[in-house]
This record gives sequence, C-alpha cells and structure tokens, in this order.
Amino acid sequence: EDQVTQSPEALRLQEGESSSLNCSYTVSGLRGLFWYRQDPGKGPEFLFTLYSAGEEKEKERLKATLTKKESFLHITAPKPEDSATYLCAVQAAGAQKLVFGQGTRLTINP
Amino acid sequence: SAVISQKPSRDICQRGTSLTIQCQVDSQVTMMFWYRQQPGQSLTLIATANQGSEATYESGFVIDKFPISRPNLTFSTLTVSNMSPEDSSIYLCSVEGPGSYEQYFGPGTRLTVT
Repeated sequence: EDQVTQSPEALRLQEGESSSLNCSYTVSGLRGLFWYRQDPGKGPEFLFTLYSAGEEKEKERLKATLTKKESFLHITAPKPEDSATYLCAVQAAGAQKLVFGQGTRLTINP
Repeated sequence: SAVISQKPSRDICQRGTSLTIQCQVDSQVTMMFWYRQQPGQSLTLIATANQGSEATYESGFVIDKFPISRPNLTFSTLTVSNMSPEDSSIYLCSVEGPGSYEQYFGPGTRLTVT
C-alpha cells in the first residue's frame, strides 16, 4: 500500500530562520511527488511536482528535492506569510489517485 | 492551471439529511476527483468521476452514500447522503491540469452535521 509520512507535524520558526520539512514515501512505482500549501479554510495550492530522484525545483523561498525514498521542502529565510500547512502527496505509476501525508503545520513568527 | 469553484462553501446540516455539493471548472477536463479532509486529517480520495461513465470509488466509499454525477466536461456534483456527525469534513474537488499529472483543487465545502 502506498504511504506518505511527513515530519515534523508542526514547526515554529523565527522569521529568517531556514529549515527543512521531510516527506518519506513508499509507492509501487513513482509517477510523481507533489507539494501543496494549504491555508486555513482553503483548498490546497499546488507548489511543485517532482518526477525522478535528483530532481530539484525552486519557487521564491521554497526548494523541493527528491530521492528514491524521501523529499525535502527547504524554506530559506522564511517570512510570516509562509505560515501554512504543507502537504506532500505521491501518485503511483498508472494511477490518478494522490496519496497524501498528514502535513506539516509551519508557523513563522515575526 | 484550472480555476475551480465549489458551492456551497459551507453548510450545517441535520443528521439523516443529504447535501449536494457542486464543482465547476473553467475549462473542459476529462477527470474530476472528489476528496474528503476530516478534521485534523489529511486528504483522502473518495472517487474519480469521468464524463460519460460511472464514477470509480475508493475502498471504504460506496455509491449509495456518495452518489456522483458528471453531466459534462466542466461540472460535477457529490451528494453526501443520510448524513451523520462522522460526515463532518471538508469536501474538495480537483482536476488534472492540461497535459500534466498535477491536480488543482477547489476551495472546498466545509460540512458540519449536527
């Protein structure tokens, strides 16, 4: 069964304090790994797709990386507006279904 | 990406009643997906809806409880039937982006069953 585990569950940082969120996964053939941001009361907002080990993608203060067993979302010099829950999901080869992790609730204090 | 709207945005319903949630997309899409996000939990796929065919349900979800319609390539509905407090969740629809595997989500419908 495909599984996604995210850590930590919650993370508090000071503004400007860089850190990383982890997403460990097991999947029967990876089609893609997806990162989303979810603000309270809203639907998930798409951030990145990673398809193969070694791939990296960046957007503003966020950088996502992928290995064969895990993905990291690195946040550099975060700002309070980066506070949100970050969700990781995998899609198995031949499937459309996304399997989500529990998310990491990130809080950036000014 | 696609622009997705959902109606209603939230509702409070009584036990034993049914609620139909609408999902509208600004472009034609082959597949639409319905997810549930229970309080404090992550997203779980309920079913996949293709236009012109019966929806495909995930393990643990049945058509009698969550009937889905897909009358055209831009619209779908999910009905939550005979509701109980355990059905209190956020219900989200999503679509795949054109030519990609990325899924884009609507704003969600927050359902509370009393």
